[in-house]
Amino acid sequence: GQNIDQPTEMTATEGAIVQINCTYQTSGFNGLFWYQQHAGEAPTFLSYNVLDGLEEKGRFSSFLSRSKGYSYLLLKELQMKDSASYLCAVMDSNYQLIWGAGTKLIIKP
Amino acid sequence: GAVVSQHPSRVICKSGTSVKIECRSLDFQATTMFWYRQFPKQSLMLMATSNEGSKATYEQGVEKDKFLINHASLTLSTLTVTSAHPEDSSFYICSARVAGGFYEQYFGPGTRLTVT
Repeated sequence: GQNIDQPTEMTATEGAIVQINCTYQTSGFNGLFWYQQHAGEAPTFLSYNVLDGLEEKGRFSSFLSRSKGYSYLLLKELQMKDSASYLCAVMDSNYQLIWGAGTKLIIKP
Repeated sequence: GAVVSQHPSRVICKSGTSVKIECRSLDFQATTMFWYRQFPKQSLMLMATSNEGSKATYEQGVEKDKFLINHASLTLSTLTVTSAHPEDSSFYICSARVAGGFYEQYFGPGTRLTVT
């Protein structure tokens, strides 16, 4: 079966760095996406990785290792507005997105 | 760019009535649109995939006669919840895939449906 695993909840301090991990087992791989979702709102696109390595975009970076079926989202200089759920999604061989359950990130002052 | 709108944002209807939700890609053409539902504190659940000009593909367990999807143009898809029941109360979100892009999906703001 297809499976995406990510921690249910994480807590971090304002100004700090946090890494949210995602492991996956899917039928085929056509890229991995990270989305941010604030409570009661729709997800917003953060990043896309299809090749191994690190993609940096401002305070957010995303890493992919296809051989390990592993990705992480790194958030630096955390701000209170970063409190949200972070969704990992993998595009399988049929170009369908397989979604993880999301990681709720709580930022404390 | 890549803005998706959804209307209405909130709707309350009585049990047994039908509700139509519109999803529009405002500044791009979307050959494929997706409809999701999300229950509180749960992840997105894909309901169906719609391609412009063809019938929607429904996920297992989703009743196609209850959730009618129409994708009449490259910028508009509609979801109609027919004979709504309280258990259909949920957050419905559409997304659109940019034609020619790298398959990222851009989401509408969602519609909160409450069936009384």
